[in-house]
Amino acid sequence: EIVMTQTPLSSPVTLGQPASISCRSSESLVHSDGNTYLSWLQQRPGQPPRLLIHKISNRFSGVPDRFSGSGAGTDFTLKISRVEAEDVGVYYCMQAAPFPHPYTFGQGTKLEI
Amino acid sequence: QLVESGGGSVQPGGSLKLSCAASGFYFSGSAMHWVRQASGKGLEWIGRIRSKPNNHATSYAASVKGRFTISRDDSQNTAYLQMNSLKIDDTAVYYCVRGGGDSWGQGTLVTISS
Repeated sequence: EIVMTQTPLSSPVTLGQPASISCRSSESLVHSDGNTYLSWLQQRPGQPPRLLIHKISNRFSGVPDRFSGSGAGTDFTLKISRVEAEDVGVYYCMQAAPFPHPYTFGQGTKLEI
Repeated sequence: QLVESGGGSVQPGGSLKLSCAASGFYFSGSAMHWVRQASGKGLEWIGRIRSKPNNHATSYAASVKGRFTISRDDSQNTAYLQMNSLKIDDTAVYYCVRGGGDSWGQGTLVTISS
């Protein structure tokens, strides 16, 4: 099973300032089909997770452009260009490899103002 | 939209069946997953069921294999999670998720307690 490791686990941020979260996988996430199935999720307090980024850097519908994803192979980063109050919550990286591989998640990074 | 139901409180060793009603997308063509989250903890993938063209194939996490079964009824746009031999450690909010993670339900709470 692929292990996903996020750093930091907690990130105090200042409104209007940038924030960055790293995610490392225990093995390469490049699939045989050429895609890299690395996603980022946001979970606001009391809410279910929601998809922000898929396949490393593709913003999902409705996600503000202050969120961006980058990386390759085993190292990935989520960046928020200017943190807003509504960004408070826990962020998870997720590897979503196709069947029969299990999805696995990072431990989560708590973003707090 | 995904709406889970069926959660509740059960004694250890008991069973529970969760439902996930889908709307607003092509359910029959989508893989469906179940993910759980214990209170204050992270996300744990439980398993998936593929679409009919993929023979409704299933795969499970080691922690639930042999105890949990995922099924679906495409005519009802509904996925199910049958949970047997429940343990205290299975206490969590259970989410159904469309394949790829682009749609999550609100979750249903399952509590295992004596």
